[in-house]
Amino acid sequence: GAGVSQSPRYKVAKRGQDVALRCDPISGHVSLFWYQQALGQGPEFLTYFQNEAQLDKSGLPSDRFFAERPEGSVSTLKIQRTQQEDSAVYLCASSQQGSVRNSPLHFGNGTRLTVT
Amino acid sequence: DQQVKQNSPSLSVQEGRISILNCDYTNSMFDYFLWYKKYPAEGPTFLISISSIKDKNEDGRFTVFLNKSAKHLSLHIVPSQPGDSAVYFCAASAVLSGGGADGLTFGKGTHLIIQP
Repeated sequence: GAGVSQSPRYKVAKRGQDVALRCDPISGHVSLFWYQQALGQGPEFLTYFQNEAQLDKSGLPSDRFFAERPEGSVSTLKIQRTQQEDSAVYLCASSQQGSVRNSPLHFGNGTRLTVT
Repeated sequence: DQQVKQNSPSLSVQEGRISILNCDYTNSMFDYFLWYKKYPAEGPTFLISISSIKDKNEDGRFTVFLNKSAKHLSLHIVPSQPGDSAVYFCAASAVLSGGGADGLTFGKGTHLIIQP
């Protein structure tokens, strides 16, 4: 596809369940970011990959959050034992290079997670 | 504490007039600024950017102004068109910020409504 693809678009989970969110970046894009956007807020940084290497995970809110990109393309964000405060839209973005100064981030449409 | 602030949650402008969206930042390490536009149920899309070495950048109907001393930037859209109705996010980046690979810090967004 031409853009960043995220699945599922919507996910409803009961509190305590584990969820996995998938991101297919634009082919050939080296950098991949995950952001969390709560209702009425701007996106907040979660983690960053350069190819398969996770270079920054300082934004992950707790050790229940885990992200991987094993082959340097598709990435999965996993949330274990979901809680209500995890309800948000999870955005994935990719870029050709690591610096936004050289290549802007391209965002997917996000996965809206609702924890009941 | 928010490092990027968009103090107007919404703005209504008549079609054909100028729209001015404002953004303030507190982190003096930010040296690159971007505006993203977001339609409902879609991810943000890159609009325009400016480096801190400039005070103005123009692209068609869109112009971004940067006042470093005031830590303020604004996005001007002229003339405003119905398709410009969206949420606009101001974002900032600093080399070696906590986002890794100059990840972005976003404001909360301003909902621009263009009235016919």
